[in-house]
Amino acid sequence: AQKVTQAQTEISVVEKEDVTLDCVYETRDTTYYLFWYKQPPSGELVFLIRRNSFDEQNEISGRYSWNFQKSTSSFNFTITASQVVDSAVYFCALSEADRDTGRRALTFGSGTRLQVQP
Amino acid sequence: DTEVTQTPKHLVMGMTNKKSLKCEQHMGHRAMYWYKQKAKKPPELMFVYSYEKLSINESVPSRFSPECPNSSLLNLHLHALQPEDSALYLCASSQDEVGGLQETQYFGPGTRLLVL
Repeated sequence: AQKVTQAQTEISVVEKEDVTLDCVYETRDTTYYLFWYKQPPSGELVFLIRRNSFDEQNEISGRYSWNFQKSTSSFNFTITASQVVDSAVYFCALSEADRDTGRRALTFGSGTRLQVQP
Repeated sequence: DTEVTQTPKHLVMGMTNKKSLKCEQHMGHRAMYWYKQKAKKPPELMFVYSYEKLSINESVPSRFSPECPNSSLLNLHLHALQPEDSALYLCASSQDEVGGLQETQYFGPGTRLLVL
């Protein structure tokens, strides 16, 4: 079963539009962490945000905002007034301990490719 | 400074070649990771080093051999690769793997590998 689902494979918007990238996760742990990473065409994964399972406060950083809702197991990411430089693949990821092995692992969603047209 | 560097940026090798990928971080992180990423897919974990010791090997074929000479360096030695091994290889580091789920992994720019 997929633990992190990013249902939107590709989104195309025009510059200055707002866009929301969805992330739904699945875990039985009460303690876990969620992340968003940006991967521009250059390839580097850029860390954007980390959120722990006990902190449901929404966060805003410039044009970026994140909405964490435990009730729906979602951690959505909104870019306000999108720009061409926002074009990238965005990955949502879940960090949790494996119930059987105790090993901690970072599980990525399949990613959402965002194209911002000028 | 959250920089992880990787060399080379691009690498083309034949199936009989031996090559190495290098990764370096100077953030004092004690956990380092190798990931493999195929086109249009998320990164897949290959190896984890914690305090310079191999702690996780995700059943990676022996033609990939990791090495951690010191806490700042991580190498991936490649030998007798197959064309299907062509991918982006990403290195990452975090303050402490054992320290918990919360440790953020910082990634390098990757090495794009093509095996002919």
